[in-house]
Amino acid sequence: GENVEQHPSTLSVQEGDSAVIKCTYSDSASNYFPWYKQELGKGPQLIIDIRSNVGEKKDQRIAVTLNKTAKHFSLHITETQPEDSAVYFCAASEADGLTFGKGTHLIIQP
Amino acid sequence: NAGVMQNPRHLVRRRGQEARLRCSPMKGHSHVYWYRQLPEEGLKFMVYLQKENIIDESGMPKERFSAEFPKEGPSILRIQQVVRGDSAAYFCASSPGTGGEAFFGQGTRLTVV
Repeated sequence: GENVEQHPSTLSVQEGDSAVIKCTYSDSASNYFPWYKQELGKGPQLIIDIRSNVGEKKDQRIAVTLNKTAKHFSLHITETQPEDSAVYFCAASEADGLTFGKGTHLIIQP
Repeated sequence: NAGVMQNPRHLVRRRGQEARLRCSPMKGHSHVYWYRQLPEEGLKFMVYLQKENIIDESGMPKERFSAEFPKEGPSILRIQQVVRGDSAAYFCASSPGTGGEAFFGQGTRLTVV
């Protein structure tokens, strides 16, 4: 089955700086890579996703890059704001469901 | 278009009782996934269902846990004879098909006392 590794587990950045979270996956057949943001006491919310036929996708301050050869993908958040503080999960999907990374706790320091 | 609805939001059960968690997928979604999340941990896959079929239950404990997604009505995750270790947040997600966007509900937080 698929195995997704996510790093770092905790990331602290100054407000206004950029944050990068990285994930690797094991199953070369995986073709869909979403990112979720989970705030305390809430369910995960889909914030951006990328498919295997695309190398990069951007939506305002967030972007995701995918390197299929190396089997890794990354989330980039620029100009971080206090409301970006949350736990972020990457995931990979081939056919049956999503396999998640263990999550990154992003802390935005004022 | 209502999102994924889970109920109850909070559930308290005594050891040995049964817990029934319900999930209504988004309109037009026929695929449902259940995940378990322990405090400070990630999302662990439990089971993947389509209408009236269990597609993948590789993440489900072999005993006491079962899931269904009937032709009519919500998906149900049932935990029989609950133990303290079952205390967790249980999340349901739905998607329109394989490899499609999956949207999560707000979860059911089960506490076993």
